[in-house]
Amino acid sequence: AQSVTQLDSHVSVSEGTPVLLRCNYSSSYSPSLFWYVQHPNKGLQLLLKYTSAATLVKGINGFEAEFKKSETSFHLTKPSAHMSDAAEYFCVVSDWDQFYFGTGTSLTVIP
Amino acid sequence: DADVTQTPRNRITKTGKRIMLECSQTKGHDRMYWYRQDPGLGLRLIYYSFDVKDINKGEISDGYSVSRQAQAKFSLSLESAIPNQTALYFCATSGPGGGRNTGELFFGEGSRLTVL
Repeated sequence: AQSVTQLDSHVSVSEGTPVLLRCNYSSSYSPSLFWYVQHPNKGLQLLLKYTSAATLVKGINGFEAEFKKSETSFHLTKPSAHMSDAAEYFCVVSDWDQFYFGTGTSLTVIP
Repeated sequence: DADVTQTPRNRITKTGKRIMLECSQTKGHDRMYWYRQDPGLGLRLIYYSFDVKDINKGEISDGYSVSRQAQAKFSLSLESAIPNQTALYFCATSGPGGGRNTGELFFGEGSRLTVL
């Protein structure tokens, strides 16, 4: 069975400081993993995806994530937070048929 | 124009009413999904369809039904709405991945439903 655990429901950072959003997954297969972002009153937008190529994945807006099979983790990072990064972030694992969502991490960026 | 369009974007209704949420897409994808979002629960799958003749229940299908009218159209119905169906509903599409789903989801903007 597939599942995703986002370890923090809320993260607050100051503008210009690093961002770390943590995600652990459980999968019976070699999974596909995704990070999505949701800004207020908007749909979800893909930030990046891992599909068994390079383990360090670069996404849009300076975000990146590293697939660590031994730790079953796929943490999202950004070197320097911007005010526009304030949003809800979802880690997602996919298998043959379906997508499994984490419960989300709300990121607050403090000026 | 958006690739995945949901209508209505907002709807307020009363308990017991029948409600239909519509989704259309221009991405040419075969796979379509309906999700429900509640605060703190992430997105939960209601129904999904891999082609016009293939409809599957998700983890929370009770109280909902769907219709895949065409490759591009996938509607979600609440036959008799109840207050705990108040939520934000998303339609999404996905491209083919063969036997392994490596494609990503493309989302509509969401339909906010309030049941009084």
